[in-house]
Formats: sequence, structure tokens, C-alpha cells
Amino acid sequence: EPEVTQTPSHQVTQMGQEVILRCVPISNHLYFYWYRQILGQKVEFLVSFYNNEISEKSEIFDDQFSVERPDGSNFTLKIRSTKLEDSAMYFCASRSIAGAQVWTDTQYFGPGTRLTVL
Amino acid sequence: GNSVTQMEGPVTLSEEAFLTINCTYTATGYPSLFWYVQYPGEGLQLLLKATKADDKGSNKGFEATYRKETTSFHLEKGSVQVSDSAVYFCALSLPQGGSEKLVFGKGTKLTVNP
Repeated sequence: EPEVTQTPSHQVTQMGQEVILRCVPISNHLYFYWYRQILGQKVEFLVSFYNNEISEKSEIFDDQFSVERPDGSNFTLKIRSTKLEDSAMYFCASRSIAGAQVWTDTQYFGPGTRLTVL
Repeated sequence: GNSVTQMEGPVTLSEEAFLTINCTYTATGYPSLFWYVQYPGEGLQLLLKATKADDKGSNKGFEATYRKETTSFHLEKGSVQVSDSAVYFCALSLPQGGSEKLVFGKGTKLTVNP
């Protein structure tokens, strides 16, 4: 069964450093998402991406964040200068919009990358 | 704004007990409602979904009914198993010009003891 993969599973970085979190969405999917979950808190939407551009972003997704689909398979989240409060689990998700079946609009999630900023 | 409130955990049950996890929502519009489950060390998996009032989503013995009048989508299972131990997230999505981002509740951790 196709699945969303994310690398690395755990990333430790120093405050102020740049990090890139990588995701490989399901191959025929068209919408891509990043969410994050700070420990003990709810899963929060960061950004959605369609047709090589951002379709929606939250207020969390400020100028320090960027997303890219560099090669047609990977989908990356870059944090330019990490802060302590960026420590969280980051989830990538993808979605197909084809067809009228109920389940095709489901977002499929990866296992997450745990980012620790020291 | 749009939000989801679900029962705080953790919830601890014995095997074969009845499970209810409450979920209510606030939405400007007519949302689709979801339950996602996160097993230890894994990502979020869709458990079930309902897209309109009075729809019942069901999967793996779990059920939830979309109640528009009470803005609720409570998750139930008649007889839980140890393998159901996980964190359960209630979520909604609304059409946003195609984005359809998910808005999640805080999650409820369920532990089922043998």
C-alpha cells in the first residue's frame, strides 16, 4: 500500500540553524500539507501546497518557513533560523482529489519528524 | 473560527469495555468530520469519516455519527482490545478553495489493559 514517508525521523539542531524536513508524498497525489504538533498540544496546520504554489498558510507559517517541491517527488519544509519554540513533531500529508469516492479526499499522513531545537 | 473540542485523556479501560470519546465542533459552514488514530511510533491514520448530517462513519468496530443539532461526532466502540491503545484525534475540514486543511482536537490517549 502506498504511504507517505518522512526523513529524518528525529532532527536535533542548535537555535538559529537552518533545517530542512523532507517528505515523499504518495505518487499520484496533488495536494500536500505540513502540520506540526508541539508536545502535549494539538496538531496544527502550517501550510498547503498545490500546483507548485502555496494554496493556504496559517499565521504560524511566517517568513522563517518555506516549502518546496524540488523534483516532482520530494516535498520539503525549510525553517531558516530555528527557535526553541519550533521544537515539535512535524507531519507531512498528501491528498488526491480525483474521483467521486468518499475516501479519495482523505489526507494521508507520514510518521512525522521530531525536531528538537537546543 | 473553526475548532474541535474533544474529551481530555488519558482514558484507561479494561479489554472488552465500552468506549466513548466525546468530540464537539464549531464551524462556520458545513464541515466534514474525521477521526484519526495514532499508534505508538506511527503517523496519523484515518479511522473513519462522515461528510453530512446523520452520516455514520465506521471502521474496525469503531463508529461515529455526525450530529448537526448537537455539533458532535462522538467516537464509540462496543468492546475495546489491547491493540486499540493509541491516541485518537477528532478533526474537521471545510472547503477552502481546495485546500481543505484539517483542524484537530487535542487528542485523547486510550490505554486498554488486558
